[in-house]
Amino acid sequence: DAKTTQPNSMESNEEEPVHLPCNHSTISGTDYIHWYRQLPSQGPEYVIHGLTSNVNNRMASLAIAEDRKSSTLILHRATLRDAAVYYCILRSDLTGGGNKLTFGTGTQLKVEL
Amino acid sequence: DTEVTQTPKHLVMGMTNKKSLKCEQHMGHRAMYWYKQKAKKPPELMFVYSYEKLSINESVPSRFSPECPNSSLLNLHLHALQPEDSALYLCASSDNLAGRIYEQYFGPGTRLTVT
Repeated sequence: DAKTTQPNSMESNEEEPVHLPCNHSTISGTDYIHWYRQLPSQGPEYVIHGLTSNVNNRMASLAIAEDRKSSTLILHRATLRDAAVYYCILRSDLTGGGNKLTFGTGTQLKVEL
Repeated sequence: DTEVTQTPKHLVMGMTNKKSLKCEQHMGHRAMYWYKQKAKKPPELMFVYSYEKLSINESVPSRFSPECPNSSLLNLHLHALQPEDSALYLCASSDNLAGRIYEQYFGPGTRLTVT
């Protein structure tokens, strides 16, 4: 399985943008790039995903490098509630249905006032 | 309803006990998953069920036995566990249909301690 690498931790001030990087140099052509986050004492929560093009949704933006070997999750204005572990994940779809998520090690985001 | 529920929230069991973890979703999802998460580590996939059939077993020891009695329920039967099996066990579900987002919805997990 292809792997992702992420920094262990990052810090941000509240209401400032945050850029969370991820490297996935061995990504295959059919793998989707997903980001999930996990708040304390909760299961992971979907944030955003993409294949080749940059994506925006109400939570965040995803910038994907042209060669797809790296991506960046962008939180436009971090709040204290965004403090969590952010996982960069490669998703492969299974022929029998469902999909397989290969989690990176995660980045602990700390947000300060 | 976009909720995946898991029971119990916490479980303490001895190495000779038999127990079961339960997971339920009512989103009509036909794929369900079990993950194991150790402290400060990412979740690791254990099993995938698609249309109530086991499609992936990630070389999980036989002391963990999954069961999918219907499309809404997923169980994980535990027997003769070891202390190193103590972890957070997460259940998730997702759509199977082409064109859907394939987002996995996770439950809050069952915190298992093996003594």
